[in-house]
Amino acid sequence: DQQVKQNSPSLSVQEGRISILNCDYTNSMFDYFLWYKKYPAEGPTFLISISSIKDKNEDGRFTVFLNKSAKHLSLHIVPSQPGDSAVYFCAASSYSGAGSYQLTFGKGTKLSVIP
Amino acid sequence: GAGVSQSPRYKVAKRGQDVALRCDPISGHVSLFWYQQALGQGPEFLTYFQNEAQLDKSGLPSDRFFAERPEGSVSTLKIQRTQQEDSAVYLCASRTTGVSGANVLTFGAGSRLTVL
Repeated sequence: DQQVKQNSPSLSVQEGRISILNCDYTNSMFDYFLWYKKYPAEGPTFLISISSIKDKNEDGRFTVFLNKSAKHLSLHIVPSQPGDSAVYFCAASSYSGAGSYQLTFGKGTKLSVIP
Repeated sequence: GAGVSQSPRYKVAKRGQDVALRCDPISGHVSLFWYQQALGQGPEFLTYFQNEAQLDKSGLPSDRFFAERPEGSVSTLKIQRTQQEDSAVYLCASRTTGVSGANVLTFGAGSRLTVL
């Protein structure tokens, strides 16, 4: 039972255009949502997060939107650049009950930005 | 260190062999996590340490998997009698003490295990 779903395995966007990556979740106990970016042969690197009590968080070219009623979040990248080409993981944070907050990840979406 | 360091980066094992994967977290980071990432999947939680205490090992897939962090810094993930389904990238992540705001983990580059 996947609690965090990224239904698009891949996305291609022209340089300069907007990239929109989507994520759905099922667990209403998640308190934060995070996006990680991963290049080949590297570990995931943190990009941006949003609290479950907010509906938008912006950081430069990156904006995350949260729709709690729909249990849906999206990452907008504008303008998209070739260096943004990577796999993007949506992750959700929840208290595990064993003394830690855990991250639950989606399967990722591979973004290709075409020059 | 400046980041989370993992070794070896690549490991090929014959089925049935034991392997040990090492993680050197960011200096001073109290919390340490191990995740397993199979091909085409997202990282999945294996286990969590706070200092030397293993507080959560609910994600370990079988009793062939064992993790330790004896001095509260370096951690080792050991897999005994490896099977082909153990082939994956094993990611280590660390976080400073407490959680204020988002639970941001800093990941290492991972150890890619291939079991033949």
